[in-house]
Amino acid sequence: DTAVSQTPKYLVTQMGNDKSIKCEQNLGHDTMYWYKQDSKKFLKIMFSYNNKELIINETVPNRFSPKSPDKAHLNLHINSLELGDSAVYFCASSQDWTRAAFFGQGTRLTVV
Amino acid sequence: QKEVEQNSGPLSVPEGAIASLNCTYSDRGSQSFFWYRQYSGKSPELIMSIYSNGDKEDGRFTAQLNKASQYVSLLIRDSQPSDSATYLCAVNIKDMRFGAGTRLTVKP
Repeated sequence: DTAVSQTPKYLVTQMGNDKSIKCEQNLGHDTMYWYKQDSKKFLKIMFSYNNKELIINETVPNRFSPKSPDKAHLNLHINSLELGDSAVYFCASSQDWTRAAFFGQGTRLTVV
Repeated sequence: QKEVEQNSGPLSVPEGAIASLNCTYSDRGSQSFFWYRQYSGKSPELIMSIYSNGDKEDGRFTAQLNKASQYVSLLIRDSQPSDSATYLCAVNIKDMRFGAGTRLTVKP
């Protein structure tokens, strides 16, 4: 029983394309996150979604947009992909924003 | 000033020694503090959560929190080669923010 699952695990695409990464959690958590981990391994928060409130990190380009069809899902859509978007993207969830987050297995995105 | 700062290391300790990992944070309003371990190519996994000042022990791991000094640490006793990983400090501000991580190597 996977608690936080992401698909796909690997994604290779060309510059300019639009792609989505899906995330689902079966923990009944109220808060979900998207993180980007770059080549230097720094985990940078992109979005958090808590009780229908979306908090956007101001440094994230508006080509990135989270979409939450329900509390258990927080998908990440990326428009006009650029080379610099290549990274590992992690979805995570927590009971609420004060509690520990549990991570999915990550999606390695490579833009060529 | 970074929100969460860690010594990036690398930190190398011999097997059986105590590994000490440190973290400072900038927001005095932070309420929740976490240590995660991340093996290469894997996702971060939670080791410890700590919410109040003092020490919290779980097996070979001890987390220490000092809110007045805005400091949180992780001690790993009897370090094993399998503890070799990157350790990430995380702090809840309005969401969970991570430090850059400390790479630990435990040598047999």
